[in-house]
Amino acid sequence: AQSVAQPEDQVNVAEGNPLTVKCTYSVSGNPYLFWYVQYPNRGLQFLLKYITGDNLVKGSYGFEAEFNKSQTSFHLKKPSALVSDSALYFCAVRYTGGSQGNLIFGKGTKLSVKP
Amino acid sequence: KAGVTQTPRYLIKTRGQQVTLSCSPISGHRSVSWYQQTPGQGLQFLFEYFSETQRNKGNFPGRFSGRQFSNSRSEMNVSTLELGDSALYLCASSLVPGDQETQYFGPGTRLLVL
Repeated sequence: AQSVAQPEDQVNVAEGNPLTVKCTYSVSGNPYLFWYVQYPNRGLQFLLKYITGDNLVKGSYGFEAEFNKSQTSFHLKKPSALVSDSALYFCAVRYTGGSQGNLIFGKGTKLSVKP
Repeated sequence: KAGVTQTPRYLIKTRGQQVTLSCSPISGHRSVSWYQQTPGQGLQFLFEYFSETQRNKGNFPGRFSGRQFSNSRSEMNVSTLELGDSALYLCASSLVPGDQETQYFGPGTRLLVL
C-alpha cells in the first residue's frame, strides 16, 4: 500500500536557524512527491514537487527538498527560518500507477519558529 | 483572478442529517478534487471530477457523493451524518487532473456534526 509518513508532529526552530521537516514514503513504482503548507484558516498551498531529475528541488518561499531514493525520504529544508514560516506542512505522494490527482498525504508537521 | 471558493465556510449539523457543500473552481479550471481533513486521519482523498465525470474515488462509504456541473462547479453531499464526519472539507481545482502545479486549494468548509 502507498503511504507517507511524517515522523514529527511538531518541529520547533529559532528564527535564523536552518529547519528540516522530515518525510518518508512507501510506493510502488516511481513516486511523484510534493510539499504543501497550510496557514491557519486557509487552504493548502503548493510549495514544491519532485518528479524526476535533480534530487534537490527548489520551491517557493526559499524552501527546498532533497529526494533520497535509497532512504525513501523527501525532507523539506530551509537554510534560515522565519517566524512567518510557522504553519502546518504536509508531504504528499502521487504514484505513477494511480489515477491522476489522487494524492496521499502525511499527517502533517506543525512548524513553530520562535523569534 | 479569484481563487477557489467554498460555501459555506462553517456548518453545524446533527447526526442523521444530510449536508451539501459547494466548490467553485478557478476560472478555466476543469478538474476538481475533494479532501477530508481531520486531526486523527489527516488529509484523505474523497473524489475527483473532470468534465462532469467522476474519475476517481477514495475509500469512503457511499454516504459521501459528489457531482460536477457543466461550469465546472462541484458539490459534495454527505447523507446520514455521523459524528466522525466532523472535519474540514477541502476542495482543489486544477486545469486538468493531476496538475499539482496549477492546483489551488480553497479555504475549506468546516463541518461540525453534533
